[in-house]
Amino acid sequence: DIQMTQSPSSLSASVGDRVTITCRASRIITKYLNWYQQKPGQAPNLLIHSASILQSGVSSRFSGSGSGTDFSLTISSLQPEDFATYYCQQYSNTPYTFGQGTKLAI
Amino acid sequence: QVRLIQSGAEVKKPGASVRVSCEASGYTFTAYALHWVRQAPGQTLEWMGWINPATGNRGYSNKLQGRVTLTTDTSASRGYMELSSLTSEDTAVYYCAVMTLPTAEALDVWGQGTMVTVSS
Repeated sequence: DIQMTQSPSSLSASVGDRVTITCRASRIITKYLNWYQQKPGQAPNLLIHSASILQSGVSSRFSGSGSGTDFSLTISSLQPEDFATYYCQQYSNTPYTFGQGTKLAI
Repeated sequence: QVRLIQSGAEVKKPGASVRVSCEASGYTFTAYALHWVRQAPGQTLEWMGWINPATGNRGYSNKLQGRVTLTTDTSASRGYMELSSLTSEDTAVYYCAVMTLPTAEALDVWGQGTMVTVSS
């Protein structure tokens, strides 16, 4: 299975900050990577697919980049509704695997 | 719009089986494969498997192979996940989800989740 490692596992920030979360795959996955946001008690919500393509309806303050094994998710100016947990997920091979998550807190 | 509605919470004893349903609406049920993902309390997401309602083709994670069975009822636009030989480690929220995007394998529509608690 492909292992996905996110960092940091938790992050404290303030409204208006720019934050970056990284995700590393245990082997090359080209651009087969998605990012999800999850709030407590809710299902995950797709933010970015194919490493850098913003999902329809998602704010443009979210952006993704990377290819190969190293990827990042950047939030340009944090808003109160962005405090949540973020997961990366590879779809290069099944089983699809997720990172351990990054909890973004105030 | 595409919606997935799951069955309610379950409490099971160790060794028992559980079946969770997922009713689809807003699209032709056979158009998209149905995936199942679970999340233990405080843990990350774990992909369990997928089923193609049109063909019946399916695939399971190696970890759960032999204990998980995915089925569909196309007449009712429902998918089912059955997990057997439950232990406390199977306590989790179980989600169904579909990939509707034509250019990426991304889970863009999710059910609301079903809490399964395994306890003696």
